Amino acid sequence: KQEVTQIPAALSVPEGENLVLNCSFTDSAIYNLQWFRQDPGKGLTSLLLIQSSQREQTSGRLNASLDKSSGRSTLYIAASQPGDSATYLCAGKETSGSRLTFGEGTQLTVNP
Amino acid sequence: DTAVSQTPKYLVTQMGNDKSIKCEQNLGHDTMYWYKQDSKKFLKIMFSYNNKELIINETVPNRFSPKSPDKAHLNLHINSLELGDSAVYFCASSLTLGSGYTFGSGTRLTVV
Repeated sequence: KQEVTQIPAALSVPEGENLVLNCSFTDSAIYNLQWFRQDPGKGLTSLLLIQSSQREQTSGRLNASLDKSSGRSTLYIAASQPGDSATYLCAGKETSGSRLTFGEGTQLTVNP
Repeated sequence: DTAVSQTPKYLVTQMGNDKSIKCEQNLGHDTMYWYKQDSKKFLKIMFSYNNKELIINETVPNRFSPKSPDKAHLNLHINSLELGDSAVYFCASSLTLGSGYTFGSGTRLTVV
């Protein structure tokens, strides 16, 4: 059974800093991994989806990597802005038909 | 707008009542899901339907009954509500079983 862990649980950085959020998963036979953003009291917004055959995906200032052998994914945020403040969740899928298993999230605060 | 829509957004009800949450997606996706986010913000799968067929049924009380009248709708009916059912319930959909997820904005259920 896939388990997903995110470190750190909370992170506070000054505006403009580049930062990395970490996600670990227990089953290296992962089908895909998805990063989401959740604002307080809101739903989840999909940021990036990485298929098992891919090593990374990029969207604007965001870059997500996937290393199946080490069971890790990272979300890199360049030149952070106060508007990036939110909880970031990673979620992995074992097979195409299995559930999406979520980590507990990293709460990011970017200070002006 | 193309989206996953949930109603109601907020639901406050007394213990013992029966309530329903509706979910509709106009994205043309084949698969729909219900997730529960508890007070610690952890997201956990409840049900998954593919082409109106139940494919994932996690260990949830049988007071929870999903119904999918067609591919675009997945409703959640809850009987005999208990205090512990208070949470945010998220509906989601994906194009196929292996695709990335799109989430609704959530229904905050409070049982008093």
